[in-house]
Amino acid sequence: KAGVTQTPRYLIKTRGQQVTLSCSPISGHRSVSWYQQTPGQGLQFLFEYFSETQRNKGNFPGRFSGRQFSNSRSEMNVSTLELGDSALYLCASSPGPGGQPQHFGDGTRLSIL
Amino acid sequence: AQSVTQLGSHVSVSEGALVLLRCNYSSSVPPYLFWYVQYPNQGLQLLLKYTSAATLVKGINGFEAEFKKSETSFHLTKPSAHMSDAAEYFCAVSDRSRGATNKLIFGTGTLLAVQP
Repeated sequence: KAGVTQTPRYLIKTRGQQVTLSCSPISGHRSVSWYQQTPGQGLQFLFEYFSETQRNKGNFPGRFSGRQFSNSRSEMNVSTLELGDSALYLCASSPGPGGQPQHFGDGTRLSIL
Repeated sequence: AQSVTQLGSHVSVSEGALVLLRCNYSSSVPPYLFWYVQYPNQGLQLLLKYTSAATLVKGINGFEAEFKKSETSFHLTKPSAHMSDAAEYFCAVSDRSRGATNKLIFGTGTLLAVQP
């Protein structure tokens, strides 16, 4: 069974641009969550989606948005990029909500110049 | 609000020695608890989870953790360290009281070094 796939693996952008990251969950998994990992702030929760509905949102500005499609694939978008958005963005999937173990992808490394 | 504290950002052990990584949680209701491991340039891999079925939880790669409600702890142990265990380890909680959510709150991580 294929794992969680995140594309692209690496991305370089400049301040002010926008970026879209993609996540394909494990087949059959309907819940997708996103996390930001930085050396200073550690791992922080961004969003959680289940059946195309956002169930939970972390404490991030409105520049961060996401969505989930009917095939459970998910995207997150960051607009007006700032230097502080440089991070590893991790996607995780699970069969459903409710404290289930999540399976993580290898992440997208976003660097802002 | 829930929180997780991992004592010791860096832990160094000798190969073959006991590994003990500490995790304490703060929650009014015992949460779901998880340990994840992260190798360089990779995502997180689930080691084990506590969901209240048993207080001693066995995971992959010889790791286990014991849930102690009285101490609000969920420490990770392995009897004998192997060089391949060198990685960063994260303890995480998921709020059981807030209904069906997978949102994880992570500790700050412990970097485990294994000396030959």
